[in-house]
Amino acid sequence: EVQLVESGGGLVKPGGSLRLSCAASGFTFSSYSMNWVRQAPGKGLEWVSSISSSSSYIYYADSVKGRFTISRDNAKNSLYLQMNSLRVEDTAVYYCAGDYYDSSGYYDYWGHGTLVTVSS
Amino acid sequence: QSALTQPASVSGSPGQSITISCSGSSSDVGGYGHVSWYQQHPGKAPKLMIYDVDNRPSGVSIRFSGSRSGNTASLTISGLLAEDEANYYCSSYTNTNVRLFGGGTKVTVL
Repeated sequence: EVQLVESGGGLVKPGGSLRLSCAASGFTFSSYSMNWVRQAPGKGLEWVSSISSSSSYIYYADSVKGRFTISRDNAKNSLYLQMNSLRVEDTAVYYCAGDYYDSSGYYDYWGHGTLVTVSS
Repeated sequence: QSALTQPASVSGSPGQSITISCSGSSSDVGGYGHVSWYQQHPGKAPKLMIYDVDNRPSGVSIRFSGSRSGNTASLTISGLLAEDEANYYCSSYTNTNVRLFGGGTKVTVL
């Protein structure tokens, strides 16, 4: 069974830091591109960052560039998001998502999310 | 990095067909094949319904179909069922490898 389990969310003050983790199982994690996508309370989906399977390519949304850092450890089947200089507007559920193409089609998996609340 | 444009809401009666539009530009929706559609029920993670404009993942009902004309992609749900009531989001990659989502469309089954 495919599973993506996020952890590390919580309440943090503006200007603070958090590190999110995503543990993957049930699929070949090292073959998948991975993403962080967030959803503010009552709002739509917002892409945050992507990292290629070998970490060669990394991209960020303008809203988090310079503050967030995505990384992965294929040996541990884990994805991370280091979030610094947090702002109130970063409050959201953060989803870990992976995708992969092969001759059979396209595979897209999402976790259930972890809530990050930035408030004084 | 502006969000793609979707109608805020669309409604239909059971058995009817509805179409949700997703407008972008030649730098995203119109220029690349990686246009996807997601269904999200309240409190749940998004579920992929369509990828690469008009492809259905295994297990997704044939009542869901995708298309594109110019810079606008569309998701059509045929034979509307009560279980289709949810929020739907389009997504596209851009020419700078940024991923965009639409603002979301709430589908109501009357």
